[in-house]
Amino acid sequence: EVQLVESGGGLAQPGRSLRLSCAASGFTFDDYAMHWVRQGPGKGLEWVSGISWNSGSIDYADSVKGRFTISRDNAKKSLDLQMSSLRPEDTALYYCVKDAGGVGITPIFDYWGQGTLVTVSS
Amino acid sequence: DIQMTQSPSSLSASVGDRVTITCRASQSISSYLNWYQQKPGKAPKLLIYAASSLQSGVPSRFSGSESGTAFTLTISSLQPEDYATYYCQQSYSTPWTFGQGTKVEIK
Repeated sequence: EVQLVESGGGLAQPGRSLRLSCAASGFTFDDYAMHWVRQGPGKGLEWVSGISWNSGSIDYADSVKGRFTISRDNAKKSLDLQMSSLRPEDTALYYCVKDAGGVGITPIFDYWGQGTLVTVSS
Repeated sequence: DIQMTQSPSSLSASVGDRVTITCRASQSISSYLNWYQQKPGKAPKLLIYAASSLQSGVPSRFSGSESGTAFTLTISSLQPEDYATYYCQQSYSTPWTFGQGTKVEIK
């Protein structure tokens, strides 16, 4: 059974940093691209960032480019999102999402974690 | 960026009704369109990928179709467990964008 468990969310002040992690199990982690997708309170879904199976291809939404960094450790079966220069508009539930493919160029988000809540407020 | 526009934003329907949700892309996306279901307090779940392919384990009452830049999710006979919000998502070009969602409520 595929499991994705996020951690690291919490309350952060504007301008500060936070690091999210996702522990994966139940599938061959290093065969698949992975993504972060967020959902603001009462809002829709927004893709944040994606990384290919070998970290060779990485992409970001314009809204986070230059502030967020995605990375993965295939040996540990983990996915991270380093968030810096946080803004109130980054407040959201952040989902760790598995891609059905390995490269991430035509992503199908086939499994989702339960999310970790990030609140940015002074 | 490719804009995805869903209609309606919400609908009320009864158990057994046929329900249709439309998603329009701002440009051609071929068949790179996926549908997700999200229940309150839960993570989204993949229903349909590549416009019309049913994800494993999803009931056959769900189906997807396309006509040009318009895509349709159909629930042939609405069941109590289908009350949820549905999102489309394009996987044609980055940034990968979602529709704003369609909430299906009990009539």
